[in-house]
Amino acid sequence: DTGVSQDPRHKITKRGQNVTFRCDPISEHNRLYWYRQTLGQGPEFLTYFQNEAQLEKSRLLSDRFSAERPKGSFSTLEIQRTEQGDSAMYLCASSLGLTGVDEQYFGPGTRLTVT
Amino acid sequence: AQKVTQAQTEISVVEKEDVTLDCVYETRDTTYYLFWYKQPPSGELVFLIRRNSFDEQNEISGRYSWNFQKSTSSFNFTITASQVVDSAVYFCALSPLGTSYGKLTFGQGTILTVHP
Repeated sequence: DTGVSQDPRHKITKRGQNVTFRCDPISEHNRLYWYRQTLGQGPEFLTYFQNEAQLEKSRLLSDRFSAERPKGSFSTLEIQRTEQGDSAMYLCASSLGLTGVDEQYFGPGTRLTVT
Repeated sequence: AQKVTQAQTEISVVEKEDVTLDCVYETRDTTYYLFWYKQPPSGELVFLIRRNSFDEQNEISGRYSWNFQKSTSSFNFTITASQVVDSAVYFCALSPLGTSYGKLTFGQGTILTVHP
């Protein structure tokens, strides 16, 4: 079991640029979640997938954000026209998603810095 | 709307002391799940416990114990005989059941520092 992986681990970009992050969940995990964590705060829910279907999006996810999970395996989170306020740690988590509220396994996160 | 409050921003103790981390939550749901996660300096969130709202039994796992009181909407976490390796940020979280299950609402976290 290799755990949830995220790539890249760190990203520095200039304001206005587009960035894309990747998350590889634990294999056979049906649910995949994205959260954002700013310094000194708890993670905030952004969106989640059940297999390839995106089931819910937070109001935090503006039109500049888009997430996909095309084949129900890995997922990408894209931020267009980045702003300084997008600087945060972006966390991915996965769970079996079969029954009940099973535990979520978190990846190491991608730290985004927008200059 | 769901809300989780961890009123203690930082706690500092000396090794072997017991320490309790407080968590108070708000939800209109009658059924829900509560969680505790640990975030060590490496940054990766580590699952500690899950508790459903039907079960108010306290739980003990080694040096860790949890006290769930539905009447006061609290889910407190106690570390007995703390160790330096317990130093981390601890988060309490809440999840609804139903179609939005797994959508965690986290508290602000409590930074625990255990000094040798």
